[in-house]
Amino acid sequence: DTGVSQDPRHKITKRGQNVTFRCDPISEHNRLYWYRQTLGQGPEFLTYFQNEAQLEKSRLLSDRFSAERPKGSFSTLEIQRTEQGDSAMYLCASSLVRLETQYFGPGTRLLVL
Amino acid sequence: AQSVSQHNHHVILSEAASLELGCNYSYGGTVNLFWYVQYPGQHLQLLLKYFSGDPLVKGIKGFEAEFIKSKFSFNLRKPSVQWSDTAEYFCAVNEENTGFQKLVFGTGTRLLVSP
Repeated sequence: DTGVSQDPRHKITKRGQNVTFRCDPISEHNRLYWYRQTLGQGPEFLTYFQNEAQLEKSRLLSDRFSAERPKGSFSTLEIQRTEQGDSAMYLCASSLVRLETQYFGPGTRLLVL
Repeated sequence: AQSVSQHNHHVILSEAASLELGCNYSYGGTVNLFWYVQYPGQHLQLLLKYFSGDPLVKGIKGFEAEFIKSKFSFNLRKPSVQWSDTAEYFCAVNEENTGFQKLVFGTGTRLLVSP
């Protein structure tokens, strides 16, 4: 399968713990995006990378959130001191060039107890 | 700020019925428009997209959408739905003033097709 992959697919954690998610984009896609989707809503943009550079961050991304894309390949999204409001599906997408279609991964479903 | 409205949150149809799902956006400049579909247990998949040219675009599985710039709309249609079309459908837009980067999604429409 050469699509976008995400790991883990599900994560249950206790409030206050740190969690890290990984996204592997489609090979050679230089743009990588993170979105968050809560129940009954469409995905909301969090941040995106072109190669290893993080070019935009949404105001939804509080100081507890950090994303990296070292070497311009896979990306990680870390949430520190998780809160119950962080419970959501975290989606990763990638595209080849600026105007191209974004292809989505299966998501990581986070539940904070 | 850009917003996308999908007025139908839930739609129930019988097989062979015709489908039209509404999508309206708020940005007045140049936009790219998308419909994504999420089948039960699967990830978001692109159904069709409009960047420029013919405002009537055809996608996979017999779906089509028409871009009407004067109405800020990009409605999705299918003349005859099948049980396998049961899914959640999302309209999404990216706009010129954000460099066509982030997608702004509607809240989605859940379609249930009864056999």
